[in-house]
Amino acid sequence: EPEVTQTPSHQVTQMGQEVILRCVPISNHLYFYWYRQILGQKVEFLVSFYNNEISEKSEIFDDQFSVERPDGSNFTLKIRSTKLEDSAMYFCASSETSGGNTGELFFGEGSRLTVL
Amino acid sequence: GQNIDQPTEMTATEGAIVQINCTYQTSGFNGLFWYQQHAGEAPTFLSYNVLDGLEEKGRFSSFLSRSKGYSYLLLKELQMKDSASYLCDAMDSNYQLIWGAGTKLIIKP
Repeated sequence: EPEVTQTPSHQVTQMGQEVILRCVPISNHLYFYWYRQILGQKVEFLVSFYNNEISEKSEIFDDQFSVERPDGSNFTLKIRSTKLEDSAMYFCASSETSGGNTGELFFGEGSRLTVL
Repeated sequence: GQNIDQPTEMTATEGAIVQINCTYQTSGFNGLFWYQQHAGEAPTFLSYNVLDGLEEKGRFSSFLSRSKGYSYLLLKELQMKDSASYLCDAMDSNYQLIWGAGTKLIIKP
């Protein structure tokens, strides 16, 4: 069964460093998302991406964050100058459609970021 | 504003039935999703409702009333592996998911 894959599964970094989280969405999906979940808290939407550009972003997704689809398969989230409060699980998700059908999101296993 | 309300935590007994309620307020509506999330894992899709009524899928059923902004997830014949958080999410008119905080379901033997 096709799945969304994320790397690394866990990254530890020093405050102020840059981090790149990588995702390979399901191959025929067109919509890509990044979410984060701080330990014990709700899943928070960061950004959605379609047709090689950001379609929506939340208040959390400020200039510290950027996304890129550098080739036909990878979808990356870059976090510049990490802060302690960026420590969270970051989930990548993809969907075949944005609306219509079910808009079901398929999630990767997550990348746990720990900022020291 | 847009909002999802669901209980923080519920406890039920193995073999029993539990109903997890959710109310939502969104700008427009394009459907209501339920996801299951085990601790430390990614959410996994359970159900999608866009029309009023009950959708049944094995031991899990989901109900929607659009006029009331209300949904519930019904879990029957509870198993220990059903211990997880259940996330209620509504899709607004821009097809964006508004996530609830999740209901932590604890199953006791």
